[in-house]
Amino acid sequence: AQSVTQLDSHVSVSEGTPVLLRCNYSSSYSPSLFWYVQHPNKGLQLLLKYTSAATLVKGINGFEAEFKKSETSFHLTKPSAHMSDAAEYFCVVSANSGYALNFGKGTSLLVTP
Amino acid sequence: KAGVTQTPRYLIKTRGQQVTLSCSPISGHRSVSWYQQTPGQGLQFLFEYFSETQRNKGNFPGRFSGRQFSNSRSEMNVSTLELGDSALYLCASSLAGQANQETQYFGPGTRLLVL
Repeated sequence: AQSVTQLDSHVSVSEGTPVLLRCNYSSSYSPSLFWYVQHPNKGLQLLLKYTSAATLVKGINGFEAEFKKSETSFHLTKPSAHMSDAAEYFCVVSANSGYALNFGKGTSLLVTP
Repeated sequence: KAGVTQTPRYLIKTRGQQVTLSCSPISGHRSVSWYQQTPGQGLQFLFEYFSETQRNKGNFPGRFSGRQFSNSRSEMNVSTLELGDSALYLCASSLAGQANQETQYFGPGTRLLVL
């Protein structure tokens, strides 16, 4: 079965400092991995996706993630946090069926002035 | 292009009642998926429909059901509501439902409170 583990439930950073949200995956074959963001009272928005092309994936709003097969990781990074980045972030893997997404438990990102 | 819309946005029901939630996908999208989001269990897959057929179902009891119409709009129904059904129900649409390749576009959700 495909699954992801988000290693931190809460992350706090200062505005202007780097962001690192950690995600490990478990998969019996080469997975498709995603990061979604959920702002309060808003729907989920896709930040970026990895589908076996380039291992370094660039997304929206300056976020990027690197697929590391040897470490089974797909960590999300951003060089400089902005106040508007405060939200819930989900690491996601596609399910075996291909028709569903398996979500991690989420990481709540707090950005302080 | 309009996004995924869900109605109603908020709903309050009592235990034992049933509820129907609606989802209108992005124009041209034929796949609709439903997810339940709770603080304890996180986001969990309910089911996925394509061309009026359910192709995949998550691990939920039979009280949870859905259907899709010929215009791709979808409804989900929960019968005999329990307190634990209180959740945010999210709908997602995509062209063909290939979650491992396509982008899934999510609606704002319907927040259901069961008293």
